[in-house]
Amino acid sequence: NAGVTQTPKFQVLKTGQSMTLQCAQDMNHNSMYWYRQDPGMGLRLIYYSASEGTTDKGEVPNGYNVSRLNKREFSLRLESAAPSQTSVYFCASSALTGAGNTIYFGEGSWLTVV
Amino acid sequence: GQQLNQSPQSMFIQEGEDVSMNCTSSSIFNTWLWYKQEPGEGPVLLIALYKAGELTSNGRLTAQFGITRKDSFLNISASIPSDVGIYFCAGKTYTGANSKLTFGKGITLSVRP
Repeated sequence: NAGVTQTPKFQVLKTGQSMTLQCAQDMNHNSMYWYRQDPGMGLRLIYYSASEGTTDKGEVPNGYNVSRLNKREFSLRLESAAPSQTSVYFCASSALTGAGNTIYFGEGSWLTVV
Repeated sequence: GQQLNQSPQSMFIQEGEDVSMNCTSSSIFNTWLWYKQEPGEGPVLLIALYKAGELTSNGRLTAQFGITRKDSFLNISASIPSDVGIYFCAGKTYTGANSKLTFGKGITLSVRP
């Protein structure tokens, strides 16, 4: 069971280049999320998709766009990468349950913008 | 916005010791989660708590949902070297399609053999 799979694992970009981080989950979860993790900052939510067909901004959405392609896939796009976007990016997903939807994370994508 | 406070930022313990980590907030949460992140990996869920006062164990780990709903703690007993990692608490104010987790900044645990 793969869980949450994100690609690529590592990427180096030049300032101004664009790229898309791909994420897929095989747990039939409704909600998907993109976080970034920076030293001393913890995990910060960039965008999320509560259900297929919807997307909403999180805490730090500037410079990013997302697409919920279908229930399984949620991509994160950097249109014009900046050095401040050097970070580790985590995709996550959760089901809707009455007791509270627990979030499961992918293994991360290390992005460096030079 | 809501914040979760975890301190200290780093903890150093001897193998075999017990360790306790707290997570506090000025806001009330309905769900508390504890995650562990190892180097080069994503956070992995350790324990989920859904009711005030709930005490849940997972092997050598025990976590409690505070009665005030503004705090939670995680205990690790008889620590071993593989307990090394970053421990995050996370809280959620309500369930539903648009609910989101708020994360603490994490505590880095080091275990000396």
